[in-house]
Amino acid sequence: DTGVSQDPRHKITKRGQNVTFRCDPISEHNRLYWYRQTLGQGPEFLTYFQNEAQLEKSRLLSDRFSAERPKGSFSTLEIQRTEQGDSAMYLCASSLATGGAETQYFGPGTRLLVL
Amino acid sequence: DAKTTQPPSMDCAEGRAANLPCNHSTISGNEYVYWYRQIHSQGPQYIIHGLKNNETNEMASLIITEDRKSSTLILPHATLRDTAVYYCIVRAPYGSSNTGKLIFGQGTTLQVKP
Repeated sequence: DTGVSQDPRHKITKRGQNVTFRCDPISEHNRLYWYRQTLGQGPEFLTYFQNEAQLEKSRLLSDRFSAERPKGSFSTLEIQRTEQGDSAMYLCASSLATGGAETQYFGPGTRLLVL
Repeated sequence: DAKTTQPPSMDCAEGRAANLPCNHSTISGNEYVYWYRQIHSQGPQYIIHGLKNNETNEMASLIITEDRKSSTLILPHATLRDTAVYYCIVRAPYGSSNTGKLIFGQGTTLQVKP
């Protein structure tokens, strides 16, 4: 299966700890997105990359959050000094932007629980 | 805010067609209609998208009204595995002022019953 993969699938951490999530997009997809989804809500956009450039960040992405895509392939999302409010599903999606319609394909998500 | 309105929930009998409506009365001329679904605890799954014409693929059909202000996703023979939250999203194409992000609303929870 060459879909979007995310690691880890589940993470339990204590408040104040740092966590890092990884996303591997579909090969050759040039756009990569991060979303966050809390219980009962639809996914909310956090940030996206075109190749290695981070082109937009949501207001949801506080200073404790940082994302990278160093070589335009995989991406990492780090949360520093986690808070209980960070508990959510973190979703990654990738797409091939070539003009016209652009379809994003999602990974399985990383479910974070902050105790 | 999401640009679409969907009923919060719907039921469908197994084997029957599921027709999920979506209102997007403020859609712009170059915006596509996308449908995703999310089965419990999984990532959203792409279903289908369209601009003006009706579209069909192996999963579903998308019917867009002539004025493009609403659309219907049709699952022709619903199974229990189609139970999920279905999201209707409008989005400008790449290359315009669009930033690429998808704006999800609350979606429609479809319950397929035996």
